[in-house]
Amino acid sequence: DIQMTQSPSSLSASVGDRVTITCRASQIISSYLNWYQQKPGKAPKLLIYGASSLQSGVPSRFSGSGSGTDFTLTISSLQPEDFATYYCQQSYSTITFGQGTRLDIK
Amino acid sequence: QVQLVQSGAEVKMPGASVKVSCKASGSTFDNYYIHWLRQAPAQGLEWMGIINPSGGDSSYAQKFQDRVTMTRDTSTSTVYMELSSLTSDDTAVYYCARVMFRDHWFDPWGQGTLVTVSS
Repeated sequence: DIQMTQSPSSLSASVGDRVTITCRASQIISSYLNWYQQKPGKAPKLLIYGASSLQSGVPSRFSGSGSGTDFTLTISSLQPEDFATYYCQQSYSTITFGQGTRLDIK
Repeated sequence: QVQLVQSGAEVKMPGASVKVSCKASGSTFDNYYIHWLRQAPAQGLEWMGIINPSGGDSSYAQKFQDRVTMTRDTSTSTVYMELSSLTSDDTAVYYCARVMFRDHWFDPWGQGTLVTVSS
């Protein structure tokens, strides 16, 4: 299976900060990379699909980039509701997820 | 807009089986797959398998191949995931999630079903 490695595993930031989360695949996955946000006690929510396409209804401060093996999720200006855990997921072959990045308030 | 509504929490003894349901409202069983995933306490997400609700064909992750069965009832737009030979390691929140034909991402997700395995 393809291993997905996110960094950092946790991150403390302040409202208004620009934040970048990285996801690296153990082999080339083209653009078959999606990002999800999960809040405690809730199901994951799709943010970005196909590495860089913003899901309908998701604020434009979220953006994704990358292809091949290296991908990033950027939040341009953190809002209070953005503090959550973020997961990358590849759909190139047998589905696997990154271990998650916990984003909390500094 | 489709919503996926899952059955309620379950508590099972080791060695037992559990059957979790996922009902699709707002849509027929056309043009999408339903996947099952799980998340152990304070852990990440793990993919379990996929079912085509209209055709009934399914495919499972190798880890669960011997003890998971995914079925559907087209009359009620409900899919089911049954996991047998439960151990404490199966304690987790189980999610169903939709993937449209020709898409590669999960949206929406069900609300999750907590399965606790304890003696």
